[in-house]
Parts: sequence; structure tokens; C-alpha cells
Amino acid sequence: DAGITQSPRYKITETGRQVTLMCHQTWSHSYMFWYRQDLGHGLRLIYYSAAADITDKGEVPDGYVVSRSKTENFPLTLESATRSQTSVYFCASSPNVNSPLHFGNGTRLTVT
Amino acid sequence: QKEVEQNSGPLSVPEGAIASLNCTYSDRGSQSFFWYRQYSGKSPELIMFIYSNGDKEDGRFTAQLNKASQYVSLLIRDSQPSDSATYLCAVRGNQGGKLIFGQGTELSVKP
Repeated sequence: DAGITQSPRYKITETGRQVTLMCHQTWSHSYMFWYRQDLGHGLRLIYYSAAADITDKGEVPDGYVVSRSKTENFPLTLESATRSQTSVYFCASSPNVNSPLHFGNGTRLTVT
Repeated sequence: QKEVEQNSGPLSVPEGAIASLNCTYSDRGSQSFFWYRQYSGKSPELIMFIYSNGDKEDGRFTAQLNKASQYVSLLIRDSQPSDSATYLCAVRGNQGGKLIFGQGTELSVKP
């Protein structure tokens, strides 16, 4: 079934460890996004990408790294996880600059 | 000043009433505007989008945009308990597709 999938759905890691959250979409959408959602903050944009090999910072990029070597994949890496990065992470995609976003099911990350 | 602002609520309305959700944004060059609904523990889902000044209606939902006042709103007519959720306003400026969300308004529809 076409769509956008995130993995894992749940992840527990320790402070200082590297962790990668995966996002895969089958629509060949040009744009992909990573958001984090915390109580009281709504959705905050971490990074986004307009196409393969084109990425840009969002509102809260510090502590995160992204890459996009293929159109369909947009992994998010926490190079050294901190407790403040405990959150729900959503990946989303859209076909062009003005279209609505389609969201994945989210990854709940806990950093202990 | 936050780029996109919403009242966090909660907004409580009786069943059958009109719920009015408001959003203001700071980037005067913003091009497209979206309303998403999010149930607890779920992903946001699109309700409406609007690009031009004025009203856009879809069933019980009406989105209103006033670019001069930098204001976008969502009206929900004949509110149902199943409409109880958090409503997220999102605004896309003219900076290469970046989409910024407000903090969301929690709506509670009481039977």
C-alpha cells in the first residue's frame, strides 16, 4: 500500500547514544519534513527537504542530522541523544511546495 | 513573536453549536494555510486548506483567510463530540516550502 511509514514506532535509548529514525514514502513526493511534538509546543519543524540532496533547517535543528540520498527516504539522526530530545517525532511529505502534508504514524522516542 | 499563534484552549462548546478556532501569523508573505485535526495519540490529519482571501467551505467546515490582518480561522458548524480533538493551524511562507505549525487549540464538544 502506498504511503509514508516511520520506523521504529517506539524507541528507548540512553543519553549519549546515536539513534536514527527512519522515514520512507512511496508517493515520490518531492518534499519531506521532520517535526517533533511536545506538550505545549505543538509541532516544531526540525529539518525539511525539497528534493534529494537538498535539505534545510527548520525551527529546532540543533542536535539533529538529516540526509536525503534518495527521494523516498529521509532519515533523522540524533548523534548524541539528550533527555530533552524525548518526544514524538513525525515525518511528513508533500508533492510540491503548496500542497498539504501527509503524515506518518510517528515515532515515540524516550531518552533515559 | 511566534510565527504562528493559536489559543491553546481548551475551547468547550455544546453539541450542535458552532466552534470558532483562530490563528494569526507573522510572515506577511505567507502563501498557503492549512488546518489539521489531531486526536490524542494519532497523527495530524488534514481538514482544510486555503490559499486566497475569503471563505472556503467543505461540509461542516469553513476556513476563512484575511491576509491583510494576517488571520486565518476555522469554523465548525453543528459540532459533534467526535470533533473533540486538537486543531492545528499551519502556514507556509515563501521560503522554499517550510511549513510552520501553531501550538494547537484543544476543542471539547460536550453532549
